Amino acid sequence: DAKTTQPTSMDCAEGRAANLPCNHSTISGNEYVYWYRQIHSQGPQYIIHGLKNNETNEMASLIITEDRKSSTLILPHATLRDTAVYYCIATDKLIFGTGTRLQVFP
Amino acid sequence: NAGVTQTPKFQVLKTGQSMTLQCAQDMNHEYMSWYRQDPGMGLRLIHYSVGAGITDQGEVPNGYNVSRSTTEDFPLRLLSAAPSQTSVYFCASWEGDARLPVKTYEQYFGPGTRLTVT
Repeated sequence: DAKTTQPTSMDCAEGRAANLPCNHSTISGNEYVYWYRQIHSQGPQYIIHGLKNNETNEMASLIITEDRKSSTLILPHATLRDTAVYYCIATDKLIFGTGTRLQVFP
Repeated sequence: NAGVTQTPKFQVLKTGQSMTLQCAQDMNHEYMSWYRQDPGMGLRLIHYSVGAGITDQGEVPNGYNVSRSTTEDFPLRLLSAAPSQTSVYFCASWEGDARLPVKTYEQYFGPGTRLTVT
C-alpha cells in the first residue's frame, strides 16, 4: 500500500492559490491519487482524483508528477471556507492519514 | 436525495453495553464503509461492504460487527462497549464494480455519530 506524506499544517492568504503537496513515492502503477477534505468535524468531502494526467474540476486542480511519486492539490483562489484538513490518499485500501491542516486567513 | 444519513448523532454508553449505529444511503451505491476518527487523528476503516450480503474487515474491526441485508442500510454493532471505542464514527457510500478490486473512488460521507463510552 502506498504510504503518503503531507505537511502537518499550512497557511494561505484569502484569494491566493493554496498548493498542498503530497509525497507517495511507493505508489504502484494502478493506484489512483485521491484528495478529500474535512471541514471542522463534518464528514470528509471528496475533492478530486487522478491516475497519471493532471485533473481539474470546479473545486481544485490536481498535478501529478511524471514519475507519480508526488502530487499537488491546487485551490486556485482560496477562501475562508476552504479552511479544513486535506487528505491525500494513494492506495486502494481506503486508508486516510492525518492530512494537512490548511488555515486560510483574511 | 438525502445522501448518507446516520443515527443517532450523539450517544453515551456505559462500559459493557451494546448498541447499533445506523447508516442508510439513498443513492443506490454498492459500496459502503464504516470509519472511526479519534481526536486529532485521521480516519481508520472498521468494516466495509461491496454489496448486499458481502462484508469485509478493515484496519480496526475488533469489537464491531456489521451486516448488509439491503443495498441501502449498513448498521454497525458494538458488541460490548469499551472506553477505547469513544470516537466519532462515519459511514460512507460510493459507486463501484464488485468485479474489480475495491477502489476508493468518490465516497459520500454521513455527518457522523459521536460516541462516548464511560
